[in-house]
Amino acid sequence: DADVTQTPRNRITKTGKRIMLECSQTKGHDRMYWYRQDPGLGLRLIYYSFDVKDINKGEISDGYSVSRQAQAKFSLSLESAIPNQTALYFCATSDLGGRGTDTQYFGPGTRLTVL
Amino acid sequence: QQQVKQSPQSLIVQKGGISIINCAYENTAFDYFPWYQQFPGKGPALLIAIRPDVSEKKEGRFTISFNKSAKQFSLHIMDSQPGDSATYFCAASIEGGSRLTFGEGTQLTVNP
Repeated sequence: DADVTQTPRNRITKTGKRIMLECSQTKGHDRMYWYRQDPGLGLRLIYYSFDVKDINKGEISDGYSVSRQAQAKFSLSLESAIPNQTALYFCATSDLGGRGTDTQYFGPGTRLTVL
Repeated sequence: QQQVKQSPQSLIVQKGGISIINCAYENTAFDYFPWYQQFPGKGPALLIAIRPDVSEKKEGRFTISFNKSAKQFSLHIMDSQPGDSATYFCAASIEGGSRLTFGEGTQLTVNP
């Protein structure tokens, strides 16, 4: 979805390096999310933010940190990358819909390889 | 601990056939059950969703069947087409969907 962009799209790095993945959205949504996708495990929530001042840990936050620089920007950092953080990372946004349903709009993903 | 279990992991169907993907959940507090479709190189996109106050929801060739007592729900794709070939994820959440718990995914291939 062109309304949610992620940079870089691909990244190869070495163990111990600090990595930042960036997400920007033009949908005007307050809620933003970071997921990782691994084969056979589906998507797992790393962190989520309901507004600029609200940051929450998800299911698998260890080894990751985030920064919500503005309503439109949400960055994910790996402070010291390790090989088992090799995965496909997705950013998503949402705005509360009718009857309390919350459609999430995903970016194109960042493929991260940690050697 | 996977709170939403999805099967099968992969599925091959002939064009025109019916594709069926099943999910089971554990948390009875879940009240929103979406299905997301993901094409290669793309992010997932919402396909169809259901709330537990109905047992079935249909949108075109896609139908969700929901069995609250069994804590199961399934996606049926009627008249499957090669363009339906994608990975499908079921998900569940509490209070409308902000914190989605995804199943493991099903890779669907529809042969021409």
